[in-house]
Amino acid sequence: QLQLQESGPGLVKPSETLSLTCTVSNGSISSSNYYWGWIRQPPGKGLEWIGSMYYSGGTYYNPSLKSRVIISVDTSKNHFSLKLSSVTAADTAVYYCARHKGVFIVGRHWFDPWGQGTLVTVSS
Amino acid sequence: QSVLTQPPSVSAAPGQKVTISCSGSSSNIVNSYVSWYQQLPGTAPKLLIYDNNKRPSGIPDRFSGSKSGTSATLGITGLQTGDEADYYCATWDSSLGDVVFGGGTKLTVL
Repeated sequence: QLQLQESGPGLVKPSETLSLTCTVSNGSISSSNYYWGWIRQPPGKGLEWIGSMYYSGGTYYNPSLKSRVIISVDTSKNHFSLKLSSVTAADTAVYYCARHKGVFIVGRHWFDPWGQGTLVTVSS
Repeated sequence: QSVLTQPPSVSAAPGQKVTISCSGSSSNIVNSYVSWYQQLPGTAPKLLIYDNNKRPSGIPDRFSGSKSGTSATLGITGLQTGDEADYYCATWDSSLGDVVFGGGTKLTVL
């Protein structure tokens, strides 16, 4: 079945850019009708959607993070990426990637499956 | 503070039934679809319910979802110790332009 795996540095310095990649296996990132998304979870806290991108373009971002986030898709490598700039300690979290079924016009969304998550700590 | 309100914790005995509520507003639950996720300790969330009341393949029918007005409910019957986890609701908020998650509910099977 479809599997997703996050990768990237586990430690990022304050004010720098957090960069993560999610590799999709046993399926194509070019599948129609699905977005590819990022969700994060600060230690001991709840889930927060960061944003999602359709394979052919078209992105949606959490308004509170939009000014700092870029999500991109590389269909040739079957992976998608997250860049979060100007990070602070508040960005310390487990970052998950997930396939996102999103029909934004009718508010229809779910995330399945999810990657195992990767902890990113922001510290000098 | 999430726009979707869930009870911080619920508990019940093995074999019993439990419900977890998710309270929202006219800008989210009323006009959008709700999904539910189970997060076992130390693992990634897993989709339990989508489109308010549909179960993905492989999810037992002990899990059910419903929606009425500004609230949604997750029901779990025949509780097992393996159901101990955090449960999250999620939906679209049209005012925020955001996919929002509830704060999560910790289920304890006594």
